[in-house]
Amino acid sequence: DIQLTQSPSFLSASVGDRVTITCRASQGISNSLAWYLQRPGKAPKLLICAASTLQSGVPSRFSGSGSGTEFTLTVTSLQPEDFATYYCQQFFSYPFTFGQGTRLEIQ
Amino acid sequence: EVQLLESGGGLVQPGGSLRLSCAASGLTFNTHAMTWVRQAPGKGLEWVSAISTTGGSTYYADSVKGRFTITRDNSKDTLYLQMNSLRADDTAVYYCAKWGAVAGTFDKWGQGTLVTVSS
Repeated sequence: DIQLTQSPSFLSASVGDRVTITCRASQGISNSLAWYLQRPGKAPKLLICAASTLQSGVPSRFSGSGSGTEFTLTVTSLQPEDFATYYCQQFFSYPFTFGQGTRLEIQ
Repeated sequence: EVQLLESGGGLVQPGGSLRLSCAASGLTFNTHAMTWVRQAPGKGLEWVSAISTTGGSTYYADSVKGRFTITRDNSKDTLYLQMNSLRADDTAVYYCAKWGAVAGTFDKWGQGTLVTVSS
């Protein structure tokens, strides 16, 4: 199975800050990576598919990059609603897997 | 508007069975592959199972293989997850989700249904 490791697991930032989350895969997965945001008590929301393609309706302050084994999610100019938990997910091969999550909290 | 509504969760004893349902509306159900993802209390997301548009292809996480069965009824726009031989570590919120334009990504999720396995 392909393992995904996110770093950091916890991040503290302020409104207006820029943050970057990294997701590393245990083997090459091309660009078969998605990013999700989950707010407490809510279902996850798809932000980015295919490593860098912004999902329709997602603000442009979110961006993704990477290929192979290393990927990043960047959020510029953090807004209050961005403070949540972020997950990466690989869909290169079954079983699909998620990273352990990165919790982004207000400093 | 696409809506996915899970039901069937509840309290079940270890070794017991439960069937989850996910009723879909606002979409042409039989053109979308579907998936189940779960989240144990206070933990991260775990992919559980996926099914093709016709139901002819199914896929499972190792942790549920042989115990869970995913099916769909396209005439009823409904996805199912039959869960047998339940264990305490199956306790989680179970979400159904539809595949997005990029196959293998999940662009619409239900609100989730809680399954608690305990004696």
